[in-house]
Amino acid sequence: DVKVTQSSRYLVKRTGEKVFLECVQDMDHENMFWYRQDPGLGLRLIYFSYDVKMKEKGDIPEGYSVSREKKERFSLILESASTNQTSMYLCASIEARSGRGTYEQYFGPGTRLTVT
Amino acid sequence: GEDVEQSLFLSVREGDSSVINCTYTDSSSTYLYWYKQEPGAGLQLLTYIFSNMDMKQDQRLTVLLNKKDKHLSLRIADTQTGDSAIYFCAESYSGGYQKVTFGIGTKLQVIP
Repeated sequence: DVKVTQSSRYLVKRTGEKVFLECVQDMDHENMFWYRQDPGLGLRLIYFSYDVKMKEKGDIPEGYSVSREKKERFSLILESASTNQTSMYLCASIEARSGRGTYEQYFGPGTRLTVT
Repeated sequence: GEDVEQSLFLSVREGDSSVINCTYTDSSSTYLYWYKQEPGAGLQLLTYIFSNMDMKQDQRLTVLLNKKDKHLSLRIADTQTGDSAIYFCAESYSGGYQKVTFGIGTKLQVIP
């Protein structure tokens, strides 16, 4: 079974702190994604990465950065946390099988971040 | 750009059928998905359909696709309390980096 793990289930940080959210997948997937999930807004893509050291902005990248130094690990960084970044953060990975299959995303359990 | 719309909430009685609807805008969508999110968990793929199909059935789940109207639905037969969850409609296309666009999610409440 594909497993996507996230470093914390719950996190409480203060405004202005630097926050790292870690995501690890064990299936050698090329593509990894970070979403935030908010009530009434669904999932919104923050950043994604299609290879080591490669990254692309999603729909709401402002206030976030990412790092992909190893294929299995994708980190989301909040340089200076703000209260409007309080949210559920979901990491996902997918095997790159362009044109040969479906694009099932495997999700981690999520990190609920509260910024006070 | 891509947009996926779904209603926020659906309530059904245990044993009845549930129908969750979704509309999408991207005519180049190749795959359409239904994901389920149980409380406190990440999303899990329930089923998917290729855009050249009209219907797919998988046990209690039936997916209907009306490509002309860009309308997707998920029918759950004999709905159980364990089906209570948020259901996300999603779409992707075969180009690019497999970006998937999700709807806002429909919360299904099953009343015993």
